[in-house]
Amino acid sequence: QVQVVESGGGVVQPGRSLRLSCAASGFTFTSYVMHWVRQAPGKGLEWVVVISSDGRNKYYADSVTGRFTISRDNSKNTLYLQMNSLRAEDTAVYYCARTVGNGYFDYWGQGTLVTVSS
Amino acid sequence: SSELTQDPAVSVALGQTVRITCQGDSLRSFYASWYQQKPGQAPVLVIYSKTNRPSGIPDRFSGSSSGNTASLTITGAQAEDEADYYCNSRDSSGNHWVFGGGTKLTVL
Repeated sequence: QVQVVESGGGVVQPGRSLRLSCAASGFTFTSYVMHWVRQAPGKGLEWVVVISSDGRNKYYADSVTGRFTISRDNSKNTLYLQMNSLRAEDTAVYYCARTVGNGYFDYWGQGTLVTVSS
Repeated sequence: SSELTQDPAVSVALGQTVRITCQGDSLRSFYASWYQQKPGQAPVLVIYSKTNRPSGIPDRFSGSSSGNTASLTITGAQAEDEADYYCNSRDSSGNHWVFGGGTKLTVL
């Protein structure tokens, strides 16, 4: 069955870096567009970034442009999110999700919590 | 505009019908999808491409769209439908995705 499992969250000080991973299984990872979506505590969903199936095209939300970098290793069926210069407002649960068809999210991971605090 | 607007909260009596709406200019060009999220859980797709329902989603959930407004309708709401609901689409560029602010549904 389709699974995406996030890891790498934790507590980090403002200005520091963190890398999230998302391990995919149960589907042909190389064929799918993948995203990171986040949710601050008690808040709504916020789309963060998308990467094309071949990794060539990436688009970022304005709130993370220049600080976050998405990548994927199709040989390892793994998606990454490198987060630099972290801010308190980046505190959130980060979800890995894939899109299909007209761009709807059909599978989501359970999320990994990132807390930016001194 | 890259925004999708939802009412923050809606309530419905058990067994009655409720409509949750989502407004945004990008809905004129791109399909809306809808997600249900219960506390402590990941979002779950309930409607895609405006009107389609994934397998396993009860047929009391339906979607529609007209102009710049997409709607999620629950016909005969059940207690287990109490959750937050989010609409989603792309922005006008087609390269960014955007979520509505979410609607908290209370089943009375």
